[in-house]
Amino acid sequence: EAGVAQSPRYKIIEKRQSVAFWCNPISGHATLYWYQQILGQGPKLLIQFQNNGVVDDSQLPKDRFSAERLKGVDSTLKIQPAKLEDSAVYLCASSLGSGTYNEQFFGPGTRLTVL
Amino acid sequence: DQQVKQNSPSLSVQEGRISILNCDYTNSMFDYFLWYKKYPAEGPTFLISISSIKDKNEDGRFTVFLNKSAKHLSLHIVPSQPGDSAVYFCAASGGSQGNLIFGKGTKLSVKP
Repeated sequence: EAGVAQSPRYKIIEKRQSVAFWCNPISGHATLYWYQQILGQGPKLLIQFQNNGVVDDSQLPKDRFSAERLKGVDSTLKIQPAKLEDSAVYLCASSLGSGTYNEQFFGPGTRLTVL
Repeated sequence: DQQVKQNSPSLSVQEGRISILNCDYTNSMFDYFLWYKKYPAEGPTFLISISSIKDKNEDGRFTVFLNKSAKHLSLHIVPSQPGDSAVYFCAASGGSQGNLIFGKGTKLSVKP
């Protein structure tokens, strides 16, 4: 079974530029998550989708971050414009369903450096 | 305001000995706790979990203990192997959507 795929793996941009990350979850997984992991911290949930609907985006900085999951499969996360403090690893995860006991499977992440 | 705390950034253990990783939490609404393991340049992978109705869960070399009154859990690895060297994250869940709150992680180094 293929895992969660993410691209690109690395991205370096200047502040105020825009960037987009792509995630392809495990086939059949209805729930998709985007996490931000700043160096030295644990992953922090940015947004959770159930199929193509948003379940929780309470920690997403909506003035600059946006995410979509068209057709309930792939998802993109965009930052526009980027700030220095956005430098982090962006992790995508998926699970069969939402709820406490659904194991989340993580992709390898995209490491973003904002200069 | 950290709801899940891992106060030891790093731990070094000799191969064959026991590794004990600790985690504290503050939110009494958490009812499910997980440990994830992360190698460099990879995403976290699920290791073991425990429900708040239990005080111990064992899976091979890995055992998680939960002390609800102290709001404390620990992960025991016996015996430790060099391949266990990784960052270990403690996570907690308490909402209906299964959202996870992660600690900062503990880097375990197992020396041959």
